[in-house]
Amino acid sequence: DVKVTQSSRYLVKRTGEKVFLECVQDMDHENMFWYRQDPGLGLRLIYFSYDVKMKEKGDIPEGYSVSREKKERFSLILESASTNQTSMYLCASTSGDRAYEQYFGPGTRLTVT
Amino acid sequence: GDSVTQMEGPVTLSEEAFLTINCTYTATGYPSLFWYVQYPGEGLQLLLKATKADDKGSNKGFEATYRKETTSFHLEKGSVQVSDSAVYFCALNQGAQKLVFGQGTRLTINP
Repeated sequence: DVKVTQSSRYLVKRTGEKVFLECVQDMDHENMFWYRQDPGLGLRLIYFSYDVKMKEKGDIPEGYSVSREKKERFSLILESASTNQTSMYLCASTSGDRAYEQYFGPGTRLTVT
Repeated sequence: GDSVTQMEGPVTLSEEAFLTINCTYTATGYPSLFWYVQYPGEGLQLLLKATKADDKGSNKGFEATYRKETTSFHLEKGSVQVSDSAVYFCALNQGAQKLVFGQGTRLTINP
């Protein structure tokens, strides 16, 4: 059974803290993605990675960075958390030849106070 | 740029009712189209897809037909169940790795 796991389901952080969200997939997928999900806005792509150490900006990269040191792990970093980064964060992965079939983790609900 | 627009939610129906969730898109070229579903507390999962005009995708009793002339991909089900309660996302893909998602439609089915 394919699986994408995220390090936390719920997270509460203070403004200005550095925040790490971790995502691990066990499907040997080349591509991994980070989205944020907000009511009325759907899913918006923050960053994606198509190989180890490779990354590309998505639609809303400001205030975020990413790291992919191993194929199975993709980390999202909030360098200095702000209240407008309170959201649901979803990680996904997909293989190169079926790029449309993204497998999602359960999400991390981050609250920044 | 490419975009997807879905009908506003939330949608509330009784069990066994007919469901339609509207989806229209704007894209250059001929994208592939998808419906994803997010059950409570879970991540999104692919429900069905269509890769070219007039294709019909189907799964779990849901159907959607790729209509190039109206740039639409409406999701339908003849008789919904309580277990269909979820958020539904329409999405498109232009051959690259990325998907463009609509805003999502929350569906609640009452027994």
